[in-house]
Amino acid sequence: EDQVTQSPEALRLQEGESSSLNCSYTVSGLRGLFWYRQDPGKGPEFLFTLYSAGEEKEKERLKATLTKKESFLHITAPKPEDSATYLCAVQETSGSRLTFGEGTQLTVNP
Amino acid sequence: EPEVTQTPSHQVTQMGQEVILRCVPISNHLYFYWYRQILGQKVEFLVSFYNNEISEKSEIFDDQFSVERPDGSNFTLKIRSTKLEDSAMYFCASLDTYTEAFFGQGTRLTVV
Repeated sequence: EDQVTQSPEALRLQEGESSSLNCSYTVSGLRGLFWYRQDPGKGPEFLFTLYSAGEEKEKERLKATLTKKESFLHITAPKPEDSATYLCAVQETSGSRLTFGEGTQLTVNP
Repeated sequence: EPEVTQTPSHQVTQMGQEVILRCVPISNHLYFYWYRQILGQKVEFLVSFYNNEISEKSEIFDDQFSVERPDGSNFTLKIRSTKLEDSAMYFCASLDTYTEAFFGQGTRLTVV
């Protein structure tokens, strides 16, 4: 069965303090790894899809990377508006479902 | 930017009643999903729908649940006899050919 583990569960940063979130996964075959941002009471907002080890994607202060066992979401010089829960999900080659991790709750203090 | 639209945003229902949650996916997408998120828990897969039929479903998606794409644009989730434990946020999502999966803003279902 797919397993997706995100760490840390919660992270507090000062504005401008860069850091990384981790998503470890165990699947028999990876079709894609998805990153989302979720604000309280809202639906997940799509950020990136990564497909193969070594791939990197960037969007504003966010950069996602992928290895064969994990993905990192790097946040460079975060701002308070980056505060949210960041979700990782995997899609296996044999199916269509996305399996989500528990998320990392990020708080950026001014 | 294209978006997935869900209605209603909040529904309160009595235990045992039937509810229908509605979604308008992104028009040129091929795969449609329902997920749920119980308060404080992770997003859980319920069902995926492709080419007018269920392509995959989870253990949660039992006989109380059904999905339909009645008119080529709407995508519905029906819960026949709601239970207290069905209270959750329900998210609809649509996916093009395995590149970007977009979620709606959700329907908060409260069963009393």
